[in-house]
Amino acid sequence: GAVVSQHPSWVICKSGTSVKIECRSLDFQATTMFWYRQFPKQSLMLMATSNEGSKATYEQGVEKDKFLINHASLTLSTLTVTSAHPEDSSFYICSARDPQRDSDTQYFGPGTRLTVL
Amino acid sequence: GQNIDQPTEMTATEGAIVQINCTYQTSGFNGLFWYQQHAGEAPTFLSYNVLDGLEEKGRFSSFLSRSKGYSYLLLKELQMKDSASYLCAVTDSNYQLIWGAGTKLIIKP
Repeated sequence: GAVVSQHPSWVICKSGTSVKIECRSLDFQATTMFWYRQFPKQSLMLMATSNEGSKATYEQGVEKDKFLINHASLTLSTLTVTSAHPEDSSFYICSARDPQRDSDTQYFGPGTRLTVL
Repeated sequence: GQNIDQPTEMTATEGAIVQINCTYQTSGFNGLFWYQQHAGEAPTFLSYNVLDGLEEKGRFSSFLSRSKGYSYLLLKELQMKDSASYLCAVTDSNYQLIWGAGTKLIIKP
C-alpha cells in the first residue's frame, strides 16, 4: 500500500523547453503532495506543497512562474519546469501523504532525473 | 533557527551493528522520521517516532528522547545492501518536515 509513481523516470531536454513531471498516488487518495529537488550529494530540498483543488504553497526562493504545480485530482499532481535551463538539471522527487493510513508519513515516488542541455 | 544534525558518513562491517545518531532543535515537535535513500533513488520510509522510547522493526530500530532532542537509528546484522544514506527528518509545530543532511553509511565486507 501507499504507492507513489512518477513519470517520466528521466528526461533530457533542450534549454528553453518546458518539461512536465507527473506524480500519482496509485492506491490511495492524497490531499497533499510535496515536490522536492535534490542536487548530487545533497539532502532533499522542499520546493512546494501541493493541495488538491487549491494553489500550491511554494518555499522561499522557488519561482512560482518557473515551477508550475497543478494538483487537479486526489491522485495526480504535476510539476512543469518552464523554460528549463541547465541549472535546473536535478533529481525531482514527489511525495504524498495517505490520510487513511496516517496523516504524517510521506511516501515518495521513484524520482525523475532531469537533464537540461 | 531549525537544525538537524547527523554524522556525514559512517563505516561499518557486514554482520555488525551500527547506530546513527540524530539531534534536532526545532520549533515544536510532532514526530521524527528515518528514511533510507540509495544512491540515485528516492527515499523510502523506515520508521516514525512520536513518543519516547524504542521502536523495533526487524533489523532496524529507532529510538527517541524528546527531552534531549535526540534520536538514533540502530541497524543490526548489517548487509551490503544497507549501504545507503539515512535521512533524519522532524515534523515541527507547523507540521513542516525539516530534513537532516543525511548520513552516508558504507558497509565493508
